[in-house]
Amino acid sequence: DGGITQSPKYLFRKEGQNVTLSCEQNLNHDAMYWYRQDPGQGLRLIYYSQIVNDFQKGDIAEGYSVSREKKESFPLTVTSAQKNPTAFYLCASSMAPNRANTEAFFGQGTRLTVV
Amino acid sequence: AQSVAQPEDQVNVAEGNPLTVKCTYSVSGNPYLFWYVQYPNRGLQFLLKYITGDNLVKGSYGFEAEFNKSQTSFHLKKPSALVSDSALYFCAVRDMDTGRRALTFGSGTRLQVQP
Repeated sequence: DGGITQSPKYLFRKEGQNVTLSCEQNLNHDAMYWYRQDPGQGLRLIYYSQIVNDFQKGDIAEGYSVSREKKESFPLTVTSAQKNPTAFYLCASSMAPNRANTEAFFGQGTRLTVV
Repeated sequence: AQSVAQPEDQVNVAEGNPLTVKCTYSVSGNPYLFWYVQYPNRGLQFLLKYITGDNLVKGSYGFEAEFNKSQTSFHLKKPSALVSDSALYFCAVRDMDTGRRALTFGSGTRLQVQP
């Protein structure tokens, strides 16, 4: 069954801790994305990767880091430098970058809460 | 820079009545436009997209959208609303003429269909 899997579904972080959100896809997509969703603000782009071993900052990259060592995986680390990390995080993927007319497919999201 | 505006935070409609959710966009080049739907605590589901050609695009669950280049709009429509259509709807754009391949999303419109 093809799709995007995000884990965990819920995550609690203490102040000053780094946490890593997992995103795995078996759609054979080249491009992967991380978005943050806050109430009333829609989705904002954190990082994206068009190909393995390459990634670019999005609009709100400060306090986050990513890696893309495998085509299937694009983990997001929320570092202690991110001052307001409580949000709903969505991972997405799409076909090759030069096929920009294709839609992105989304995972079910991870809700991160700072306690 | 590309951007999307969804001017209504919420749209209320009675079941059986037609619905419209508004979206306007701004890109420097030619747009690819998308509509997604989100149910509570879930990821986004793709509804439909405009790439080129016919200005009226048909999508999933009876939804359609009308592309209007002169008004830079891409409004989502459905002839007869269902209570189950109640959800959060996002419009998104990808500018073909820039290097940025990630989708840019609007702030979302909550659709409430009353029985």
